[in-house]
Amino acid sequence: DTEVTQTPKHLVMGMTNKKSLKCEQHMGHRAMYWYKQKAKKPPELMFVYSYEKLSINESVPSRFSPECPNSSLLNLHLHALQPEDSALYLCASSPSGPHAIGDSPLHFGNGTRLTVT
Amino acid sequence: TQLLEQSPQFLSIQEGENLTVYCNSSSVFSSLQWYRQEPGEGPVLLVTVVTGGEVKKLKRLTFQFGDARKDSSLHITAAQPGDTGLYLCAGAHNTGNQFYFGTGTSLTVIP
Repeated sequence: DTEVTQTPKHLVMGMTNKKSLKCEQHMGHRAMYWYKQKAKKPPELMFVYSYEKLSINESVPSRFSPECPNSSLLNLHLHALQPEDSALYLCASSPSGPHAIGDSPLHFGNGTRLTVT
Repeated sequence: TQLLEQSPQFLSIQEGENLTVYCNSSSVFSSLQWYRQEPGEGPVLLVTVVTGGEVKKLKRLTFQFGDARKDSSLHITAAQPGDTGLYLCAGAHNTGNQFYFGTGTSLTVIP
């Protein structure tokens, strides 16, 4: 079992829908991440939060909107997505804050499989 | 920009065979991690290497960090079907809070 919990596990949505992906960790980690992953490809970084502040936005389209309500929760709000946005969305956390991640590992959830119709 | 290239991209072998996966970069990293991702799950950390030339062993898996900290290798001895998955290397620098993932190696071990 992973210590990073993502819900829902699967999501099918139309291009006009609004939905949210949720991620939760209770390990006291101070950095949280959203990644997008296509089949058999590496995860692509979308957003990084450090100490609940957005520190990295990898030029992600505005139809993806992240939110970090507190140090344990991370949301990804989805609106007006395109079929090419269908992918596995992974949340991860790591112990360190905004500097010197060093050998601090990423702890991943099992992802949300998103299909946009 | 993809900073870490892995080879091979795909590998299908028989149970009991040995294999090596390579992770190469032109950049120096302060640490490098290897992850394995099984279908339907998120990546799971296998090992972290931080010292140039470092060798770490995890049962049948041997990891090496290059002397210049630009490359790494993963060697699996006597592969088993349970080793099947996507293997990812990821490099990190001393500053910043971002990991740079390699291009990935999809391994299938046939019983």
